[in-house]
Amino acid sequence: DTEVTQTPKHLVMGMTNKKSLKCEQHMGHRAMYWYKQKAKKPPELMFVYSYEKLSINESVPSRFSPECPNSSLLNLHLHALQPEDSALYLCASSQELVPTRLDNEQFFGPGTRLTVL
Amino acid sequence: GEDVEQSLFLSVREGDSSVINCTYTDSSSTYLYWYKQEPGAGLQLLTYIFSNMDMKQDQRLTVLLNKKDKHLSLRIADTQTGDSAIYFCAVPGGSYIPTFGRGTSLIVHP
Repeated sequence: DTEVTQTPKHLVMGMTNKKSLKCEQHMGHRAMYWYKQKAKKPPELMFVYSYEKLSINESVPSRFSPECPNSSLLNLHLHALQPEDSALYLCASSQELVPTRLDNEQFFGPGTRLTVL
Repeated sequence: GEDVEQSLFLSVREGDSSVINCTYTDSSSTYLYWYKQEPGAGLQLLTYIFSNMDMKQDQRLTVLLNKKDKHLSLRIADTQTGDSAIYFCAVPGGSYIPTFGRGTSLIVHP
């Protein structure tokens, strides 16, 4: 199984709503990532978890709250978002954050298309 | 940090070869990647090359690496309409996390 799954595929929410994005992988990867991607732009790194601990937070506003309940799951909790937060949110995983082997490529999920009204 | 540059657009005829170029600044990367993104989808790893290699061939894909000039290219032979997508060069820097180029939109027309 070399797949990263993300749910939901699409999400529309108001600025006062609370919602969560979910990501799952069963490849035994110990590093998991959240990216935000706006149209026609490269993915921008938001958070990185390594061995279920938050390792990197790229100065993301607190209205985005990540959670890693176990080694296979990664959540992104959303609260009081702004319309400019509308984007494709991508989850990725890799063997490890600091690679001990050369093939430490990232595997990406299909993304959640988020629209904030 | 790492800086990765790509041209934004490439238009080719079906059946021709496509060459997508990428330049980067951090020479410490041990491996470099090419990802493909189709409209509305996530990123799909196409291929990667180790920094001790000059060339890697994988069916219709050829990756060339010039470490001295910090230049990476992806050649797609016999380009098909299904190859139309955005192609991202990704280069891990000192943090081991890939820095993505802005992406090259490949348009294949009949």
